[in-house]
Amino acid sequence: GQQLNQSPQSMFIQEGEDVSMNCTSSSIFNTWLWYKQDPGEGPVLLIALYKAGELTSNGRLTAQFGITRKDSFLNISASIPSDVGIYFCAGQLWDGGSQGNLIFGKGTKLSVKP
Amino acid sequence: NAGVTQTPKFQVLKTGQSMTLQCAQDMNHEYMSWYRQDPGMGLRLIHYSVGAGITDQGEVPNGYNVSRSTTEDFPLRLLSAAPSQTSVYFCASSYWGANSPLHFGNGTRLTVT
Repeated sequence: GQQLNQSPQSMFIQEGEDVSMNCTSSSIFNTWLWYKQDPGEGPVLLIALYKAGELTSNGRLTAQFGITRKDSFLNISASIPSDVGIYFCAGQLWDGGSQGNLIFGKGTKLSVKP
Repeated sequence: NAGVTQTPKFQVLKTGQSMTLQCAQDMNHEYMSWYRQDPGMGLRLIHYSVGAGITDQGEVPNGYNVSRSTTEDFPLRLLSAAPSQTSVYFCASSYWGANSPLHFGNGTRLTVT
């Protein structure tokens, strides 16, 4: 089946640093979503992208829908301690006749540098 | 505004026992789905439904049954639990159509001994 390659798998952040993560796929999507999951909770939507080339911001978060429709990245600027958690990308192919199910990456775990 | 509600939050079962994980949403979403989350595996789709009376299999359906008798509820049944079903289970819902991101519940942590 379809797979998303999300990288990095984990990273350590120091307060104030910028963070980047990305997802790539062998298949095209027409929707890319980025979710964050805190311990003991369900994933929460951060940013939704619906158009190739689209660049969207949500506060300190910026995400882009790759022009090839096979990749997306998420940047977090000036990270703060509450940014720690697991970030998931998800792709969806909606063809107008049936709603394709979301395919999730395996997640990027953000932790604070010791 | 409840959103997606899952019960129970935690459950321990013995091998061979059965149970039902409950999921309810109050957003009038047509689409509902169940995922399981395992370390290093991300979220994998078990079953989904695009409306009352309609269900279909996802990526990892074996060992699980679902039904959708109402728009609001989408229970997940384990008929004979196995240790391999130890996982965190998430229910999610959305409107049917493009530009409709999934909304997740807070999960049920299931341990099968």
